[in-house]
Amino acid sequence: AQSVTQLDSHVSVSEGTPVLLRCNYSSSYSPSLFWYVQHPNKGLQLLLKYTSAATLVKGINGFEAEFKKSETSFHLTKPSAHMSDAAEYFCVVSVGGGGADGLTFGKGTHLIIQP
Amino acid sequence: GAGVSQSPRYKVAKRGQDVALRCDPISGHVSLFWYQQALGQGPEFLTYFQNEAQLDKSGLPSDRFFAERPEGSVSTLKIQRTQQEDSAVYLCASSLGGDLGFGEQFFGPGTRLTVL
Repeated sequence: AQSVTQLDSHVSVSEGTPVLLRCNYSSSYSPSLFWYVQHPNKGLQLLLKYTSAATLVKGINGFEAEFKKSETSFHLTKPSAHMSDAAEYFCVVSVGGGGADGLTFGKGTHLIIQP
Repeated sequence: GAGVSQSPRYKVAKRGQDVALRCDPISGHVSLFWYQQALGQGPEFLTYFQNEAQLDKSGLPSDRFFAERPEGSVSTLKIQRTQQEDSAVYLCASSLGGDLGFGEQFFGPGTRLTVL
């Protein structure tokens, strides 16, 4: 069985300051991990994914995440928040590579950007 | 088309009615997935197809839910005798997938189902 826990339901930061969205996972196997973003009235979009290559993963729009096996964490960061980053973010785990098996989503973190 | 499309985008049903939700995946994508996203929650896996074969339906919440993909492209999720707890956004995703197992799932915009 696999699961993800997103530690914060809401995160609020000021524009131009760093963003940290926390995620812990549980998996019986070596997992693949993803971060997806969901803007209002838009489909889910993949930000980045980890599939047992480099532990520091760079994604789109300046986001990156670090896989830490010892801490079972996959936190999402961005050095400087932009207003357009306001959205819902989901940490996701998959037993396989994510293309041929269902994804397990966390409950989501709502990112608020203050001007 | 350029992406995954779903129709209708919004559906209002009276309790007890049957509904059918359609998903058009990206052309050539082998794998197709259905998810259910309740308000304020993350999507939850319902079922998975590889071509026309339904390989996993462990997430379907009851036998009122039925999905098909008869020709390995378009898929339909059918909900019989809808109940209020079925109200949610139903998301479809596709990927190149198949036996490779790796690849991004591309999501459609979803169908928002409201059962009155």
